[in-house]
Amino acid sequence: TQLLEQSPQFLSIQEGENLTVYCNSSSVFSSLQWYRQEPGEGPVLLVTVVTGGEVKKLKRLTFQFGDARKDSSLHITAAQPGDTGLYLCAGDPSNTGKLIFGQGTTLQVKP
Amino acid sequence: DTEVTQTPKHLVMGMTNKKSLKCEQHMGHRAMYWYKQKAKKPPELMFVYSYEKLSINESVPSRFSPECPNSSLLNLHLHALQPEDSALYLCASSQDMRGDTEAFFGQGTRLTVV
Repeated sequence: TQLLEQSPQFLSIQEGENLTVYCNSSSVFSSLQWYRQEPGEGPVLLVTVVTGGEVKKLKRLTFQFGDARKDSSLHITAAQPGDTGLYLCAGDPSNTGKLIFGQGTTLQVKP
Repeated sequence: DTEVTQTPKHLVMGMTNKKSLKCEQHMGHRAMYWYKQKAKKPPELMFVYSYEKLSINESVPSRFSPECPNSSLLNLHLHALQPEDSALYLCASSQDMRGDTEAFFGQGTRLTVV
C-alpha cells in the first residue's frame, strides 16, 4: 500500500509551460515535505508545509497543503530546463520518525 | 549549515568483502537515517537512530549493520552483500523524530556489488 500517491509519475514538457504535481493520501500528516533530486545526488529539501490550507512560494514554485492535511500540490510556472529532476513528496503519517516518500514525479523540461 | 556529508561517493565491492559507509552532520540533529534508493524509485527507509540509539529497523537483512558512534556520526557496515543490494545509499538527519521535523540528506553513496 502506497501511503503517498504522487501523480503524474512522468512529465515531459516544453520550456515555458506550467505544470502541477499532486501528492495525495488517505492519512493526515502533521506536515509534508517536497524534495527535488538530480540523478546520482541526494534529495534536496524545497519546502515544508505545516498548516492546512497553507500556500508557500519559492520563486516560480508554489506549494499548497490541503485543508485536511491529507494532500499537497506543487505548481511550477514557466518551467525551465533547470527544473528537470525527480520531485518527491514525503511525510511521517504516524509521527514516529518514519519519513516515507511518494513514488516521485520525473520532470523533463525541454529547451 | 544544512550539510550532511557521506563517504565514499562511489563504492564497488565483491560479495565477500566487508566495507563501511560513513555519514556525518554537525547541525546538532539527534535523529539520523539510512535510506536505500534503486534507480527510478523513491528512497526506502532502512534504519533510524534517535539520540544514538537504534529506534527503527525496517526489517533490513543482517548483512547491513548500522552503528552510531556519537551524535554526529552514522555508519553502515556491509558484509556478504548480493548484487541486488547495488543502489544509492542515502543518509539523512533531522532535529528529532517528530512527525513535522525536516530531514536533510547527504549526496549518497553509489554502491555496486559485483
